[in-house]
Amino acid sequence: EPEVTQTPSHQVTQMGQEVILRCVPISNHLYFYWYRQILGQKVEFLVSFYNNEISEKSEIFDDQFSVERPDGSNFTLKIRSTKLEDSAMYFCASGETQYFGPGTRLLVL
Amino acid sequence: QKEVEQDPGPLSVPEGAIVSLNCTYSNSAFQYFMWYRQYSRKGPELLMYTYSSGNKEDGRFTAQVDKSSKYISLFIRDSQPSDSATYLCAMSYNNAGNMLTFGGGTRLMVKP
Repeated sequence: EPEVTQTPSHQVTQMGQEVILRCVPISNHLYFYWYRQILGQKVEFLVSFYNNEISEKSEIFDDQFSVERPDGSNFTLKIRSTKLEDSAMYFCASGETQYFGPGTRLLVL
Repeated sequence: QKEVEQDPGPLSVPEGAIVSLNCTYSNSAFQYFMWYRQYSRKGPELLMYTYSSGNKEDGRFTAQVDKSSKYISLFIRDSQPSDSATYLCAMSYNNAGNMLTFGGGTRLMVKP
């Protein structure tokens, strides 16, 4: 059964550093999303992406965040200058009915 | 009032019990309703997906939506220890490409 994959599974970075989180969505899906879940809190929407552009974004998704689909298979989330409060689990999802990947645990020190 | 509310639990039941999990919401514009299962430190796994009011059954799982009451439910029959997880409700305004708004999740423990 096809599934969404994400790399790395864990990422530790220093405050102020740039990180890129990678996702490979399910191959015939056209819609892609990023969500985050701070430990003990709700899953929160960040951004959705369709037809090579952002279709919707939340207030969390400020200028420090960007998304890209650099080729036909990958979908990336970049955080330009990480803050302590960016520490969370980041989930990629794909499809009209959203199927989630296993997540990347980001820890900012 | 929070947009989507869910009792955090934990809900502890014996194996074989019928489990009822619920969410309430405040925004009547929500049209699509989902239930996800999340094991500890894993990604949400889609269990059920329903549109508007009514019931949907899939194996041991039944999802109910009552839009007039802004209330959705997930029933699990013959619960198993492997059902022990956090159950998240989520909803959206439309189908394609729309953001999901999640509840906080209910932690379920099924004891053998």
